[in-house]
Amino acid sequence: DIQMTQSPSSLSASVGDRVTITCRASQSVITFLNWYQQKPGKAPKLLIYVASNLQIGVPSRFSGSGSGTDFTLTINSLQPEDFATYYCQQSYSTPLTFGGGTKVEIK
Amino acid sequence: EVQLAESGGGLLQPGGSLRLSCAASGFTFSNYAMSWVRQAPGRGLEWLSGISGRGGSTYYADSEKGRLTISRDNSKNTLYLQMNSLRAEDTAIYYCAKVRGGDYPSDAFDIWGQGTMVSVS
Repeated sequence: DIQMTQSPSSLSASVGDRVTITCRASQSVITFLNWYQQKPGKAPKLLIYVASNLQIGVPSRFSGSGSGTDFTLTINSLQPEDFATYYCQQSYSTPLTFGGGTKVEIK
Repeated sequence: EVQLAESGGGLLQPGGSLRLSCAASGFTFSNYAMSWVRQAPGRGLEWLSGISGRGGSTYYADSEKGRLTISRDNSKNTLYLQMNSLRAEDTAIYYCAKVRGGDYPSDAFDIWGQGTMVSVS
């Protein structure tokens, strides 16, 4: 199985900050890497697919980059509605696997 | 509107079985692979199983092989998950999810249901 490791596991940031979350795969997933946002009590929401493609309806302050084993989710100018937990997921091969999550909290 | 709605959760006893359902609407169900993902209280997301659009190919998490059976009825636009030999660690919210691209389960999930809670105690 491909293991996905996210860092940090949590972070505190202020509105307007630029936030970067890292996801590392235990082997290359090429660019088959997706990012989700989850708010308490809600289902996950797809933000970025295939490493850098913005899902329809997602604000352009969200961006993704990377290939192989190392990936990044960046949130430019953090907004109040962005405080949530973020997960990466590899879709290179089954079993599909998720990272452990990064909780973005208000400083 | 594209929607998924899970049902079948509840309070179950250890050793028992459950069958979850996921009713789909707003898209051509048979054109898309589907998956089940669960989330234990306070924990992260765990992919359990996926099935191709026509149901001919199924995939399972290694840790759950033998206990799970995923299936679908495209005439009813419904996805199912059968889980046997339930244990306390199966307590979680169970989500069904639609893949973004098409027939193969290895893809991003663009639509999720609201989840159904399963408690094993």
